[in-house]
Amino acid sequence: GEDVEQSLFLSVREGDSSVINCTYTDSSSTYLYWYKQEPGAGLQLLTYIFSNMDMKQDQRLTVLLNKKDKHLSLRIADTQTGDSAIYFCAEGGGATNKLIFGTGTLLAVQP
Amino acid sequence: DGGITQSPKYLFRKEGQNVTLSCEQNLNHDAMYWYRQDPGQGLRLIYYSQIVNDFQKGDIAEGYSVSREKKESFPLTVTSAQKNPTAFYLCASSLQGASTGELFFGEGSRLTVL
Repeated sequence: GEDVEQSLFLSVREGDSSVINCTYTDSSSTYLYWYKQEPGAGLQLLTYIFSNMDMKQDQRLTVLLNKKDKHLSLRIADTQTGDSAIYFCAEGGGATNKLIFGTGTLLAVQP
Repeated sequence: DGGITQSPKYLFRKEGQNVTLSCEQNLNHDAMYWYRQDPGQGLRLIYYSQIVNDFQKGDIAEGYSVSREKKESFPLTVTSAQKNPTAFYLCASSLQGASTGELFFGEGSRLTVL
């Protein structure tokens, strides 16, 4: 079945780079997404990548996709305290017509 | 401003009571979704609806019910049959089928069963 895995927690110092990793199982996924959830709030889309791409950059965010290994990563450059949140990866466009979310990674940024 | 509104933000319920969570969107989206969020388990899909008067069960539909009588509204009822209802509930909508489109989320409703 479909499954999306992430590590639960990541701690970095302000100004460092953060790398959040994700693995998925549905090789037919068309799109892969990164969402951000701030405390007590809903999710907001940060970025997404088409499955035929291997990299996408958007300001401080870099998404890398290794389709062969079904591995997705999100790099945040110059991490700020405002980046502290839970980050979810999600896959879509596969066998089912709905998004499958990962377990979420809590990013803690230390000043 | 367009968006998704969930209410109430916090809700307390006694065991054995049904409770209904409201979700309204003015984005003119066709598809709407309900997710449940528990610590360390991510988001799990409860129900979704691609069109008015039609909805499908998600991965954890037992103990929940929904209706989609209007395009902008997708209320979720947590029934007494749901064995562990305390959780954070998120409603979302999308313009196309979610496989290609962005999901827009509400701010969530936190349900606590006493």
